[in-house]
Amino acid sequence: AQRVTQPEKLLSVFKGAPVELKCNYSYSGSPELFWYVQYSRQRLQLLLRHISRESIKGFTADLNKGETSFHLKKPFAQEEDSAMYYCALSGPRGAGSYQLTFGKGTKLSVIP
Amino acid sequence: ETGVTQSPTHLIKTRGQQVTLRCSSQSGHNTVSWYQQALGQGPQFIFQYYREEENGRGNFPPRFSGLQFPNYSSELNVNALELDDSALYLCASSFGQGPYEQYFGPGTRLTVT
Repeated sequence: AQRVTQPEKLLSVFKGAPVELKCNYSYSGSPELFWYVQYSRQRLQLLLRHISRESIKGFTADLNKGETSFHLKKPFAQEEDSAMYYCALSGPRGAGSYQLTFGKGTKLSVIP
Repeated sequence: ETGVTQSPTHLIKTRGQQVTLRCSSQSGHNTVSWYQQALGQGPQFIFQYYREEENGRGNFPPRFSGLQFPNYSSELNVNALELDDSALYLCASSFGQGPYEQYFGPGTRLTVT
């Protein structure tokens, strides 16, 4: 069964401090991995996906297949980063099933 | 470009009743997925439709059913409502069959009393 674990329900950091949101997954094979974000009063939206290898709003995420992790990182937190962050996985291209399996989410609070 | 819309925004039903939730996909998208998000939890996959055919189903009982129409809009129907069905129901659309970005709607908040 596929599963995503986000061990931290809440993470508080000071503005300018580094941020790391943890995500571990369980999947038979090589999944596609995503980070979705929900800002206050906004809908859920894609932040980044590992296949694109882009840095969005200063965030990056490295896939570690050995540790089955996909942690989200940012070197210097900004107040506007405060939001709910969800790690998610999907079957790879050709799997036939592309449902998103989400973790429970981590609420990031950046303290001014 | 029109984003994903859902209706109604919220509704209250009584246990045992039936409910229909509606979703209009983003322009150009032909795949719709439905998720249930209970309070304090991440979204849970209910099912996905691609070009009017069901393309994957999560661990939900048969009383959760759906449809996708030729214009790719979709409905989620839930029969015999239970208290535990109280949740935010999210619809997401994407283009094609694959691990692509899904665009989410604002959700429908369902309360079952």
